[in-house]
This record gives sequence, structure tokens and C-alpha cells, in this order.
Amino acid sequence: GQNIDQPTEMTATEGAIVQINCTYQTSGFNGLFWYQQHAGEAPTFLSYNVLDGLEEKGRFSSFLSRSKGYSYLLLKELQMKDSASYLCARMGFQKLVFGTGTRLLVSP
Amino acid sequence: DAGVTQSPTHLIKTRGQQVTLRCSPKSGHDTVSWYQQALGQGPQFIFQYYEEEERQRGNFPDRFSGHQFPNYSSELNVNALLLGDSALYLCASSLTNTEAFFGQGTRLTVV
Repeated sequence: GQNIDQPTEMTATEGAIVQINCTYQTSGFNGLFWYQQHAGEAPTFLSYNVLDGLEEKGRFSSFLSRSKGYSYLLLKELQMKDSASYLCARMGFQKLVFGTGTRLLVSP
Repeated sequence: DAGVTQSPTHLIKTRGQQVTLRCSPKSGHDTVSWYQQALGQGPQFIFQYYEEEERQRGNFPDRFSGHQFPNYSSELNVNALLLGDSALYLCASSLTNTEAFFGQGTRLTVV
């Protein structure tokens, strides 16, 4: 992705908590999105942060620090179905630019 | 309310051929963006259409062109296909600077 960095792969255990980090280029920043993508399927929207702080939505939370160009997605009480790729995407200059995604593998 | 729909879902083409992919946006959305996603990669921005004009373009050659119709639906055309054009092509619709909703994509295989 265009100056968007996130880990390539992570593993975690069912029931655990995992944090997926994302750093991005701050110029022209208008918001930070997280999408989930299962293999062979289209990305589905998870969260949107435009102001600093934590946004909580059920088992998923997303955090943003605009000054640091940093976001994370926090997944709690992991389930097997959470095994997927998680895409960090930056909205800027009216277009959405994606990172390469983090493949999360949840094991029993 | 139908979401974003794309057609066809799968397509096989030969090198050098041309292809047209179609997208109908979510009801009420006026902006359509196209992405190319290679296996194991994140979606790469191709271009965006708004009010029937190309508003933004990513780093793709002129072989990639598009169109948006008055009803906001859109087409992606790729000429002179290369093997490297094999990918999942995703259409996303949105209102300006809001979340993008994706269609299921068209899986293009160039042989």
C-alpha cells in the first residue's frame, strides 16, 4: 500500500485478544478505515475513525492518533470465524488507499 | 436495498483481448471507485468516478479506462490484456469521503 504499514501475519488463540497496528502517511488525511476480508470474498466495513481516540463496536474496537499517524484494531474474545485478512485504509484526497492487509489466523 | 453488484463474477480471457466489467452502486451512492486486488495483496486503487467524470486515478496504465453513467453505474475496461492483469477487480461505492461498500468482485483470469 501507499505508505501504509501493517504486519503481514499474526496468530492468536480462540478467546484471546489481538491488536493489529497500522501506521500511515499523515498528509491529506481524512479518516482511517478498517475492513475485514475473508479469503475469496469482498472486504466488509468494520470501523471508521476520523478523530483521535477509541471507537468501540462490540468485540471490535479501533483507535486513532492523528499526530502519530497510527491506528490499531483490537479484537476481543476471538472466534475461529475471525480468521481473515484485516485491511487498514486511509482516506485522503478523496480516495481510499489500502495497506497490504494483516492475515490473522485464530487457532483452537 | 441491493448493495453493490458486479458482473460477471468470473471471467477468463486470452492475452491481448479486451474486457469490460460492470458495477451498480448501492442505492443513493454517487461515487464509484475501482480496485485491483492481486492474490495476497491489499486492493490497489485504479480510479474513481463522480458525476460521470474520472475524479482520481491511481498508478495504472491507459489500458485501464472507465465510464460512469447518469444512473451512477460504472464500467471498467481493460485493453490488450496481460497475464499480470489476472486479479480480483473490486468496485466500491460511497458518498464523498464516507465508508466505501464493496461488491463481491469479478475474478479475472488471463491465459
